[in-house]
Amino acid sequence: GQQVMQIPQYQHVQEGEDFTTYCNSSTTLSNIQWYKQRPGGHPVFLIQLVKSGEVKKQKRLTFQFGEAKKNSSLHITATQTTDVGTYFCAGHDAGGTSYGKLTFGQGTILTVHP
Amino acid sequence: DTGVSQNPRHKITKRGQNVTFRCDPISEHNRLYWYRQTLGQGPEFLTYFQNEAQLEKSRLLSDRFSAERPKGSFSTLEIQRTEQGDSAMYLCASSLAISYNEQFFGPGTRLTVL
Repeated sequence: GQQVMQIPQYQHVQEGEDFTTYCNSSTTLSNIQWYKQRPGGHPVFLIQLVKSGEVKKQKRLTFQFGEAKKNSSLHITATQTTDVGTYFCAGHDAGGTSYGKLTFGQGTILTVHP
Repeated sequence: DTGVSQNPRHKITKRGQNVTFRCDPISEHNRLYWYRQTLGQGPEFLTYFQNEAQLEKSRLLSDRFSAERPKGSFSTLEIQRTEQGDSAMYLCASSLAISYNEQFFGPGTRLTVL
């Protein structure tokens, strides 16, 4: 079955440093979504990319979707303590038949030292 | 608050007992999803509904698990004859029925099986 893998599993940075997490799928994706989960909280949607090679920015966050639609990345510039949390990528299998099954990666836990 | 709500928030039960969780989605959302999340992992898809129809169920889901959404509004997830391995956070999410759409998660029900 489809697997989505993220690296690194953990990332500790000093406030002001940049952070990147990478996401790879074993199958071609129809889309990639990114979610953030704060400690003790639930996943919150950040963004969706659907086009091959697409790049989207949200303030200090830059999201990329690979040309083959099998990988993605999230880059945070100049991290702040409010960026702390776990970042998940998730996607729908392009070979799937439903809009329902969203497969998540295991997440990257980001800690930011002030 | 018009977000996704889940009840109860915590459930402690003894092995072999049955438990039922409830999810109330955002009112205008047609799709409703159930996920299971264990420590250090991303949400794992269990099943999803569009209106009252259960359209997909994970092949990994034991037949001890059943979900319903009888009137296309709230949903229940029942686990029969609970096992210690069922201990996890059970998350519900909802979305509009438009292609691949962002999912809004509830706070989850944390199940502990003793």
